Amino acid sequence: AQSVTQLDSQVPVFEEAPVELRCNYSSSVSVYLFWYVQYPNQGLQLLLKYLSGSTLVKGINGFEAEFNKSQTSFHLRKPSVHISDTAEYFCAVMGLKGAQKLVFGQGTRLTINP
Amino acid sequence: GAGVSQSPSNKVTEKGKDVELRCDPISGHTALYWYRQSLGQGLEFLIYFQGNSAPDKSGLPSDRFSAERTGGSVSTLTIQRTQQEDSAVYLCASGGGDTQYFGPGTRLTVL
Repeated sequence: AQSVTQLDSQVPVFEEAPVELRCNYSSSVSVYLFWYVQYPNQGLQLLLKYLSGSTLVKGINGFEAEFNKSQTSFHLRKPSVHISDTAEYFCAVMGLKGAQKLVFGQGTRLTINP
Repeated sequence: GAGVSQSPSNKVTEKGKDVELRCDPISGHTALYWYRQSLGQGLEFLIYFQGNSAPDKSGLPSDRFSAERTGGSVSTLTIQRTQQEDSAVYLCASGGGDTQYFGPGTRLTVL
């Protein structure tokens, strides 16, 4: 079984400031890792994913994330945020073996202030 | 190309009524998933279809919930005798490999 912990439920930042959204996971098997973004009244959009290889992955809208196996973390970063980045962000894992389902964290609401 | 579509976008029903939610996956995707998003429980897996294999129903919360996928494409999630705790956004996703692509969801409100 897997579990995901997003350490911050809300993160307020000023426009053009850097941001990091934290994600830790627990799993007894190897996993794939994902970050999804949800804008108000919309579905989930894939930001980026880690499957294998380089631990630094780049996604859409200038976001990147780094997989750290020893710390079981997959933190999301952006060097300079924009008002349009205001949304809810979900970290998720999927086990390489067993049920092919996503297990999500509780989400982090990112609010960008002018 | 077209993404995952869901209908209706909003559904308001009375307690005790049955509802059907529809999902049209991305063409060619063999996997289809249903999730539920609610304030108290976050995002929860409900059911997973993969090709012609038996579905993984391990996430269905009660026997009032069922789903089918006809012809390996369109899926319908049915909730019988709805309860107020069924109020949530129901999200469908489809995938052809390691990534799931989500539809806009159906917001269900049970009065």
